Amino acid sequence: AQSVTQLDSQVPVFEEAPVELRCNYSSSVSVYLFWYVQYPNQGLQLLLKYLSGSTLVKGINGFEAEFNKSQTSFHLRKPSVHISDTAEYFCAANGNAGGTSYGKLTFGQGTILTVHP
Amino acid sequence: DTAVSQTPKYLVTQMGNDKSIKCEQNLGHDTMYWYKQDSKKFLKIMFSYNNKELIINETVPNRFSPKSPDKAHLNLHINSLELGDSAVYFCASSPGTGSHNEQFFGPGTRLTVL
Repeated sequence: AQSVTQLDSQVPVFEEAPVELRCNYSSSVSVYLFWYVQYPNQGLQLLLKYLSGSTLVKGINGFEAEFNKSQTSFHLRKPSVHISDTAEYFCAANGNAGGTSYGKLTFGQGTILTVHP
Repeated sequence: DTAVSQTPKYLVTQMGNDKSIKCEQNLGHDTMYWYKQDSKKFLKIMFSYNNKELIINETVPNRFSPKSPDKAHLNLHINSLELGDSAVYFCASSPGTGSHNEQFFGPGTRLTVL
């Protein structure tokens, strides 16, 4: 079964500092990777996704992520964060490990990013 | 316009009651999902329907019964509510069942069982 691990449960940073949120996934025959953001009391919104091709993926709000197959990682980065980036971030994987996954997203545990002034 | 909507947003009820949560999407998607987010914010899929047909049914108690009257709606009925059912329930939809598809999430329904 697919599994996703987010290594940090909380990441505090100061405004305008760079940030990296770490995500590792269990290997699969093929895997598609996603980062979602959840603002307080709201649903999840897609930040970016990796399907194939270039390993550096750019998303909304200045975020980007790099797919690293050898390290089975998909870390999320932003060079300069803003107060409004304070939210919970979820890494998710959807893969086909011998069968049809039918869109069964597997989520990591979430990382709370808190941006301080 | 709201893409994926859920009602109600908040639901507070007593143990043993039966309740329903409704979900509607206006994106023209074929596939809809229910997820449960527990108190530790862990998200886990419960059910998925594709064109009104059940395709994913995780190990969820049979007190939970999803119903899809048409492909734009997926409702969740819960019988004999228990304390452990307290959670946030998210509905989502996607264009199809392919693993590459982005899933669009509703705002969530916070269920509190007393």
